[in-house]
Formats: sequence, structure tokens, C-alpha cells
Amino acid sequence: SQQGEEDPQALSIQEGENATMNCSYKTSINNLQWYRQNSGRGLVHLILIRSNEREKHSGRLRVTLDTSKKSSSLLITASRAADTASYFCATIPPMGGSRLTFGEGTQLTVNP
Amino acid sequence: NAGVMQNPRHLVRRRGQEARLRCSPMKGHSHVYWYRQLPEEGLKFMVYLQKENIIDESGMPKERFSAEFPKEGPSILRIQQVVRGDSAAYFCASSPIGNEQYFGPGTRLTVT
Repeated sequence: SQQGEEDPQALSIQEGENATMNCSYKTSINNLQWYRQNSGRGLVHLILIRSNEREKHSGRLRVTLDTSKKSSSLLITASRAADTASYFCATIPPMGGSRLTFGEGTQLTVNP
Repeated sequence: NAGVMQNPRHLVRRRGQEARLRCSPMKGHSHVYWYRQLPEEGLKFMVYLQKENIIDESGMPKERFSAEFPKEGPSILRIQQVVRGDSAAYFCASSPIGNEQYFGPGTRLTVT
């Protein structure tokens, strides 16, 4: 079964609007991370939230984590065309280690 | 500090040939991970290595795939007798220790 599942699969918005992407996972985690991938490129680490944290901010990014619901959300405020990319959540299991388990991603398109 | 480097960026092989993918981790990073991404999918963990040791290879196919991270030089992911189903983007990530992984730009393997 898929550990991380993003919702929606695709999202199209206008510049200036906010974009919210959700991620659900099935097993307990040590932390959850969000990555961005521009088309045909590698992954860029955006933000890490630990299992004992509920919310984290970084610039225009806001991440929440609800361990009781096994879900996380990524909010991008005041979106820009340059935010167009695929966004993935990835989890690390409670024992730590380093094996990232990725979801299938949300394709975000920000129209100018 | 240069980021994670992978080469080649694109690799075309005929069925039955061997593919060698190289990954040079960031300076000071001794942990290397390989992931595979099929089209329109998220990344799937393959193998986790430290210098001269394979720590976790639970995501590696049992046959034809091998990985190494020698004391000197880059990490190598080797695919023998490639088949069309091996066509994918292969990403390498490195970390000093802990959970945050830095990804390379990937190698796109096409098997014809």
C-alpha cells in the first residue's frame, strides 16, 4: 500500500491565489518532508516537520501535521508562476533511519 | 559547496546492455541513497549505502541491479542486461547524517 498519498493529484490556480496540497500516510513516522520537483529535474527539499510538531513556516510555505489523522498539508501563499511544479511528501519511519517513502505527488500549475 | 552530482544526465541503452549510473555526494556526506522514479509516479527507494557498506537494499530488485559506494570515488548503480521496464529516472541523494537528504538532478535512462 502507498505510504504517502497526495491530494489532489493535480491543481491549477491563478497567480496570487493560495495552493493547498494534502498528504496522508499509513504508518507512524519520525518526520514528514515536502519536496518540489520541476519538470524533468531533481528534487528540492522544502521543509521538514517532526512528529512532535504541529505547524511549521518557511517563507510563503506553511506545513501542518496531524499525527492523529496521519495527514499533512502544504500551503503555498500568494502563488507565483514559478511555483509550477510537482510537490511530494515523504516520510521517515519512527525508528529513524533514512529511507524516505514518497507519495505520488501533486502537480501544481500556477497560471500567470 | 557543490551539490550532489550525477552523471550521465541522460543514458540510452539497448536491451541487454549494461547501464552504469554515477553519483558523487555532497562534500562531507557519507550516506548515499538511490531512488527510482517511473513516469508520472513518485520516487521509490532502492538502496542506502555508507562508505563501503550497503545498509539497506530492500528496495533493490533481486536480479540485475547492484550498487556500491567505494572508499574513494562516486557511488555506482549498475544495471545489467537492461530491459525496457528499467527506463526511468534514477535519483541519488546524500546526507551527512540524519534525515535531510539532498538530491541530485537524476539520470534519465532510456532502454530501446
